[in-house]
Amino acid sequence: DQQVKQNSPSLSVQEGRISILNCDYTNSMFDYFLWYKKYPAEGPTFLISISSIKDKNEDGRFTVFLNKSAKHLSLHIVPSQPGDSAVYFCAASGYAGGTSYGKLTFGQGTILTVHP
Amino acid sequence: GAVVSQHPSWVICKSGTSVKIECRSLDFQATTMFWYRQFPKQSLMLMATSNEGSKATYEQGVEKDKFLINHASLTLSTLTVTSAHPEDSSFYICSAPQNSGNTIYFGEGSWLTVV
Repeated sequence: DQQVKQNSPSLSVQEGRISILNCDYTNSMFDYFLWYKKYPAEGPTFLISISSIKDKNEDGRFTVFLNKSAKHLSLHIVPSQPGDSAVYFCAASGYAGGTSYGKLTFGQGTILTVHP
Repeated sequence: GAVVSQHPSWVICKSGTSVKIECRSLDFQATTMFWYRQFPKQSLMLMATSNEGSKATYEQGVEKDKFLINHASLTLSTLTVTSAHPEDSSFYICSAPQNSGNTIYFGEGSWLTVV
């Protein structure tokens, strides 16, 4: 049972345009969501997170939107840069401070390619 | 710089031997750390939760006698793959939640190849 799903295996975007990566989840106990960027044979690099009490969080070029009723979140990158090309994972956890905090369930990942 | 450090980055071992991987939190204490495994072209899968001062808790299907976890201090967790076999070849990654910042950091990962 895949509790966190990234239904798009890949996304190709032109430099300067917006990249939108999507993620759906099924477990209503998830309370905290994170996006990571990853290269092969390297650990994930934290990008941005959002708590379920918010519907938007922004950090520079990265914005995460959360639609709790739809159990859907998305990561917007604008403007996209060639250096953003990597695999992007969304992950979900219990609420910060709770016993399951830090125990992440990952989506399958989306390969983002930003063309110059 | 890295806030969670893993060592070694890669290791090759013979079948039947044991391999230890270390995970250290830098500049913060982590009472809980997590170990994940990633096979090629797959997502990261949680193996176990490492608890400082108590036994680790393992996910379903993960053999606790094969993957020994020791959380000896507030900044160090170790994963020992015992009697390694070629099917244990994988990318092993640890993470530590930094509660003060509500962020979960990952180590650089350790690539294990069993020959």
